[in-house]
Amino acid sequence: DAGVIQSPRHEVTEMGQEVTLRCKPISGHNSLFWYRQTMMRGLELLIYFNNNVPIDDSGMPEDRFSAKMPNASFSTLKIQPSEPRDSAVYFCASSWTSPLGEQFFGPGTRLTVL
Amino acid sequence: GENVEQHPSTLSVQEGDSAVIKCTYSDSASNYFPWYKQELGKGPQLIIDIRSNVGEKKDQRIAVTLNKTAKHFSLHITETQPEDSAVYFCAASDNTNAGKSTFGDGTTLTVKP
Repeated sequence: DAGVIQSPRHEVTEMGQEVTLRCKPISGHNSLFWYRQTMMRGLELLIYFNNNVPIDDSGMPEDRFSAKMPNASFSTLKIQPSEPRDSAVYFCASSWTSPLGEQFFGPGTRLTVL
Repeated sequence: GENVEQHPSTLSVQEGDSAVIKCTYSDSASNYFPWYKQELGKGPQLIIDIRSNVGEKKDQRIAVTLNKTAKHFSLHITETQPEDSAVYFCAASDNTNAGKSTFGDGTTLTVKP
């Protein structure tokens, strides 16, 4: 398997623009997680899905952030409108839940909002 | 909810020395404790894990210990090498949250040649 795939790997955009990050989890995994990583706040869990259903979105910082998982092989994280403070590395991870095991992280998307 | 505390935040050792990173957790229901290594520019990657029915696990130079009574677990790296330099995260999970893990804040390990 190719592992968790994220696109784009780098995104530079201007404040106010819409940004869409994409994730393809490992085939057969039934949980998917979106994280944000910055020097100041470390690794933050934004939202996670189980069997394509959002379970907990309490980590989503504002209404400007939204996430979807239309099927088992695809998820998106959207920021609209983007702001400079959204600049960070965004990771997607996937896992099985039975048995409980490790999360497999993608390579991340480095987002820069100017 | 679960709270995981990790210490130290930074650790510098000489090549060949041992390194120890400690974590405590708050939820007694947690039963799975993974450790991740994050190299520069990459996502975290599992290096070792332990389940609550085991007190210690070893994989070559890396070992993890778990004390359920005290709710703490530790990562031990022996004979450190420069390529061990990275950020290490501990985490705790239980069976009720669809695989969600609560992560510690990370430890930046530097191994000096």
